[in-house]
Amino acid sequence: GQQVMQIPQYQHVQEGEDFTTYCNSSTTLSNIQWYKQRPGGHPVFLIQLVKSGEVKKQKRLTFQFGEAKKNSSLHITATQTTDVGTYFCAGALGTYKYIFGTGTRLKVLA
Amino acid sequence: GAVVSQHPSRVICKSGTSVKIECRSLDFQATTMFWYRQFPKQSLMLMATSNEGSKATYEQGVEKDKFLINHASLTLSTLTVTSAHPEDSSFYICSARAPGTGNSPLHFGNGTRLTVT
Repeated sequence: GQQVMQIPQYQHVQEGEDFTTYCNSSTTLSNIQWYKQRPGGHPVFLIQLVKSGEVKKQKRLTFQFGEAKKNSSLHITATQTTDVGTYFCAGALGTYKYIFGTGTRLKVLA
Repeated sequence: GAVVSQHPSRVICKSGTSVKIECRSLDFQATTMFWYRQFPKQSLMLMATSNEGSKATYEQGVEKDKFLINHASLTLSTLTVTSAHPEDSSFYICSARAPGTGNSPLHFGNGTRLTVT
């Protein structure tokens, strides 16, 4: 079946260091969304990428969609303790169905 | 912004009983809602797609007689875990898409933590 894998599974960084999580799909995606889930919370939408090769920025977060629309990345510059949580990509298969990636759990050490 | 309310947030029930979880879109109409299950420190697994006025579409491996879904109105979908067993203990989350063009974001409820004793 369709799979969306993320690496790394866990990442511990010192506050101020950069962080990147990679998302890879076994099939071509119509679009990809990124979510953040704080411990004990529910996923919160961050951004959506639609076009091949698209790059979007939100303050210290940079999101990229691969040319083949099968992979994506999220890069955080100069992490802060508030960045702690699990980051999920969600790949769209068609119009409605989203398959969530395996997630990357980020811990930021002060 | 679009708000999805899920109730209850936590429930503890005895093995063999049934539990109903409600998912409401508070400020928009949702013809489609999605039910996910999340085990500790794992990803969200799509269980089923709930369609207003029609039968839900279940993902492979999800027992439709075990997890009953009803989407009776444009603002309410319910998930009933029937004859719950300890292995059904999990975090259940619903989501809905706000109306709009293209693939608008999923808005999630706060989730329901089910513990079956």
